[in-house]
Amino acid sequence: KQEVTQIPAALSVPEGENLVLNCSFTDSAIYNLQWFRQDPGKGLTSLLLIQSSQREQTSGRLNASLDKSSGRSTLYIAASQPGDSATYLCAVLKNQGGKLIFGQGTELSVKP
Amino acid sequence: GAVVSQHPSWVICKSGTSVKIECRSLDFQATTMFWYRQFPKQSLMLMATSNEGSKATYEQGVEKDKFLINHASLTLSTLTVTSAHPEDSSFYICSANHPGLNYGYTFGSGTRLTVV
Repeated sequence: KQEVTQIPAALSVPEGENLVLNCSFTDSAIYNLQWFRQDPGKGLTSLLLIQSSQREQTSGRLNASLDKSSGRSTLYIAASQPGDSATYLCAVLKNQGGKLIFGQGTELSVKP
Repeated sequence: GAVVSQHPSWVICKSGTSVKIECRSLDFQATTMFWYRQFPKQSLMLMATSNEGSKATYEQGVEKDKFLINHASLTLSTLTVTSAHPEDSSFYICSANHPGLNYGYTFGSGTRLTVV
């Protein structure tokens, strides 16, 4: 059974810092991995999707890496801003059209 | 592309009444949609997989008679919370995946249900 773990559960940093959020999964047989952002009381916004054959994806200040063999992914946020404050969730997909398995999320707070 | 619209965004209802939540894929066809429930400070819990033209598949522990799912078209799935009770109060979110986006998932904006 696939299990997804995110560390840390919460993180508070001053504005401008670079930071890394971690995600690990127990079954390396995945189709893709997706990082989401959730603001309080809102739905999920997709940030980055990495296919199982890819090593990383980048979008603006965000970079996500995937090491399938070790069951790890990281989300790197450069030059953090207060607007980055949210909960970040990673989720893995085992096969096309299947169920997403979520981690518990990392609650990020960026202080001005 | 790949927008999922969910309505209503919030609803308050009395105990014993039923509430319907709609989830629409606006610019693509979704043969499968997913319904999640989220408690405060917790991650998403998958409730059921909605299949167009057939019965939904419910996760273990989810009452199918309490949470009725209908997926009558390729762009619309509905979740009806029947005979709602205060313990059904929660945040409900739907999602769909898009083949054109490498099967990435898109989520609706969620529905905050409060049963009084």
